[in-house]
Amino acid sequence: AQKVTQAQTEISVVEKEDVTLDCVYETRDTTYYLFWYKQPPSGELVFLIRRNSFDEQNEISGRYSWNFQKSTSSFNFTITASQVVDSAVYFCALSGPGFGNEKLTFGTGTRLTIIP
Amino acid sequence: EPEVTQTPSHQVTQMGQEVILRCVPISNHLYFYWYRQILGQKVEFLVSFYNNEISEKSEIFDDQFSVERPDGSNFTLKIRSTKLEDSAMYFCASSEIGNEQFFGPGTRLTVL
Repeated sequence: AQKVTQAQTEISVVEKEDVTLDCVYETRDTTYYLFWYKQPPSGELVFLIRRNSFDEQNEISGRYSWNFQKSTSSFNFTITASQVVDSAVYFCALSGPGFGNEKLTFGTGTRLTIIP
Repeated sequence: EPEVTQTPSHQVTQMGQEVILRCVPISNHLYFYWYRQILGQKVEFLVSFYNNEISEKSEIFDDQFSVERPDGSNFTLKIRSTKLEDSAMYFCASSEIGNEQFFGPGTRLTVL
């Protein structure tokens, strides 16, 4: 069975601070995919990133970066120089080996509040 | 930029009534999904659909639920006899082969 744990329920930081959102996953698959989605107050789910289990390179996209460590089954997300617009619930998700077309198993989410 | 659309944005219904939630996936996508999110909780998988049939469904997706692709563009979720606990946000998603799922804006279902 697949499981995603986001231990941080809520985080508040002051604008311009860096913040890291933790994600730990469990799976028996040797090939799998990891995702991050953002859910702003308006409610939609916005895709941020997908990584496959064979690609452990860290990824940077602007102020966002992701650290994938297979050894600790973690896929953490860092926002650098946070902005108020980053306030949202962030979900980490996992899918099986079906080329990323399998169901997503979501974590419980981390509510991030950026204080101006 | 193409996007997944869902209608209605909010549906209020009486317990026991049937509801149909509608989705228009991104046009060249082949995989379609429904998820739900009970208020304040995590997003849960309901069902996936490919090549005009269900490819996987969760324990939540019991006989009260059905999905259909009635034409080349729409993808619907029907709940035959709604219960109070069906109140949730329902998200439709679609994907190409080997690519990430893109989600619609959701339909908030309220069962009274």
